[in-house]
Amino acid sequence: DIVMTQSPDSLAVSLGERATINCKSSQSVLYNSNNKNYLAWYQQKPGQPPKLLIYWASTRESGVPDRFSGSGSGTDFTLTISSLQAEDVAVYYCQQYYTTPYTFGQGTKLEIK
Amino acid sequence: QVQLQESGPGLVKSSETMSLTCTVSGGSISTYYWSWIRQPPGKGLEWIGYIYSGSTNYNPSLKSRVTMSVDTSKKQFSLKVSSVTAADTAVYYCARTLGELYGYFELWGRGTLVTVSS
Repeated sequence: DIVMTQSPDSLAVSLGERATINCKSSQSVLYNSNNKNYLAWYQQKPGQPPKLLIYWASTRESGVPDRFSGSGSGTDFTLTISSLQAEDVAVYYCQQYYTTPYTFGQGTKLEIK
Repeated sequence: QVQLQESGPGLVKSSETMSLTCTVSGGSISTYYWSWIRQPPGKGLEWIGYIYSGSTNYNPSLKSRVTMSVDTSKKQFSLKVSSVTAADTAVYYCARTLGELYGYFELWGRGTLVTVSS
């Protein structure tokens, strides 16, 4: 299985500041044939299902604010929130879909400082 | 708009088989891959497997205990997990992907909590 490791486990950021969450995969999730990274990011608020934010490592899902962005390639990826809003408090997960079993990172809890 | 709704018993006895159903409303069930994902209380997400047009792909960690099926006439797909233990206590989500190599979950149900009691 591909192991997904996120850092940090928790993060406190001031409103309006940048938040950065990292995700590392135990093997590359880049398909050379199409140059796509099979990596997604989700946001989960308490009592709610996860919500897809980013797929193909950097493609924003429809309706997701543009303060959310994804970057990286191969084994190292980053989710950036450019200017933290109060409604962004949540747990964030990365997920690889390069191969089954699909696997998720352990989650990063984002709070307001 | 398409919605997913999980249903099934919230309490299951240890060693028994749990059964859940996901109902798809407002859209087609035939052209998508349908997954089950679970989340133990306070913990992370685990993909259980998917079903597509009768074909299945299960997580090896659960494969020996999991069965998925689909009823296209009712627009429902189902999950059975046998020989449950306390470790199977979790919120169970159904979710949709566009294909195996499009395995990001773009639509989720609200989830249903299943508690395994001794």
